[in-house]
Amino acid sequence: DAKTTQPNSMESNEEEPVHLPCNHSTISGTDYIHWYRQLPSQGPEYVIHGLTSNVNNRMASLAIAEDRKSSTLILHRATLRDAAVYYCILRDHYGGSQGNLIFGKGTKLSVKP
Amino acid sequence: NAGVTQTPKFQVLKTGQSMTLQCAQDMNHNSMYWYRQDPGMGLRLIYYSASEGTTDKGEVPNGYNVSRLNKREFSLRLESAAPSQTSVYFCASSGQMQQPQHFGDGTRLSIL
Repeated sequence: DAKTTQPNSMESNEEEPVHLPCNHSTISGTDYIHWYRQLPSQGPEYVIHGLTSNVNNRMASLAIAEDRKSSTLILHRATLRDAAVYYCILRDHYGGSQGNLIFGKGTKLSVKP
Repeated sequence: NAGVTQTPKFQVLKTGQSMTLQCAQDMNHNSMYWYRQDPGMGLRLIYYSASEGTTDKGEVPNGYNVSRLNKREFSLRLESAAPSQTSVYFCASSGQMQQPQHFGDGTRLSIL
């Protein structure tokens, strides 16, 4: 299984940008980089995904290194509601069951007012 | 727009009892999934159904059975509950296997 490495926890101040790093040195050519987050007492929520190019949506931006061995999820202005566990997951879009999500422990983001 | 609905939200069982966890989605999704999450851990896949009429084992299927009743509903059954199955269970769905998954709010199950 392709694996990712994330810091256990990070802190941010409200209304400041947050950069959540993820290392995935063994990524294969068909692996997409997916990010989900889990708010307290809720199920995970899809955030964003990408393959090679940087991606933006209404929730966040995803910056992918040129060699694809690392990526960064960017929250442009953190709010208290962004306090959650963030999971970086590699997902093979062409491998059938190998495309199943494999969750690690993620990064617990705390946001201070 | 309910999304993915799980019932019940909480349940306490005694060892050896059986129970079925229910999951329904209203997004016309083809694929559905059952996960468990233990304290301080990420989710682990129990079973999934790529499309109506098919089910496959995930990472931790032992002690569980599933039924894809129709396109909307995917149930998880514990035939003889054990304390090791105490966990939070999440159901999810996606349009196709490779598309983003939408999760329910979970069922918190305690087995004494």
